[in-house]
Amino acid sequence: EVQVVESGGGLVEPGGSLRLSCAASGFDFSKLWMIWVRQAPGKGLEWVGRIKIKSDGEATDYAAPVRGRFTISRDDSSNTLYLQMNSLKTEDTAVYYCTTAPRPGPWGQGTLVTVSS
Amino acid sequence: DIQMTQSPSSLSASVGDRVTITCRASQGISTYLAWLQQKPGKAPKSLIYAASSLQSGVPSKFSGSGSGTDFTLTISSLQPEDFATYYCQQYNSYPYTFGQGTKLEIK
Repeated sequence: EVQVVESGGGLVEPGGSLRLSCAASGFDFSKLWMIWVRQAPGKGLEWVGRIKIKSDGEATDYAAPVRGRFTISRDDSSNTLYLQMNSLKTEDTAVYYCTTAPRPGPWGQGTLVTVSS
Repeated sequence: DIQMTQSPSSLSASVGDRVTITCRASQGISTYLAWLQQKPGKAPKSLIYAASSLQSGVPSKFSGSGSGTDFTLTISSLQPEDFATYYCQQYNSYPYTFGQGTKLEIK
């Protein structure tokens, strides 16, 4: 079965850090670009960033609101995508999803990140 | 950034109806457009990519069309499970951007 499963969310104080994971299965993870998308409570979808594959240098791009604070990485040996989030702000509170790129593929259930004191 | 504008923002329809949702890009995106379905409290589900290609397992009642700046999603013979929020997403250039969503409700 083609699927992704996000994990690692939780409650963190403003200024804190968190690392999210996305475990992929059922497809050749190493051959696909991956993205993170988030959805604040009651709001629409917002693209966070993208990572290319190893042969493309694992190049990354980020949305302006998270650039310089978030870092996307991948481990093809374990079919896992990561999102390292530093200097978290209250406005980063959202459910975070991962999926394939450029065209979106499978979506996981998401993982909730709450930034609050 | 490319702005994606969906219309209408909400839509009431009856079981058995056929509905069309429109998505307009602020600049040309060729056919680098996807349509997603999201039900309350659930993750998005990919329906269509490349403007008109159905994702595997998606029923043919869903169809997409368009290129450049204007796109449509058509759902025929609405069933109760089709009532959800639908989003378009462009993946022509960064940052990838989404429409604001169209909430399809039962009349």
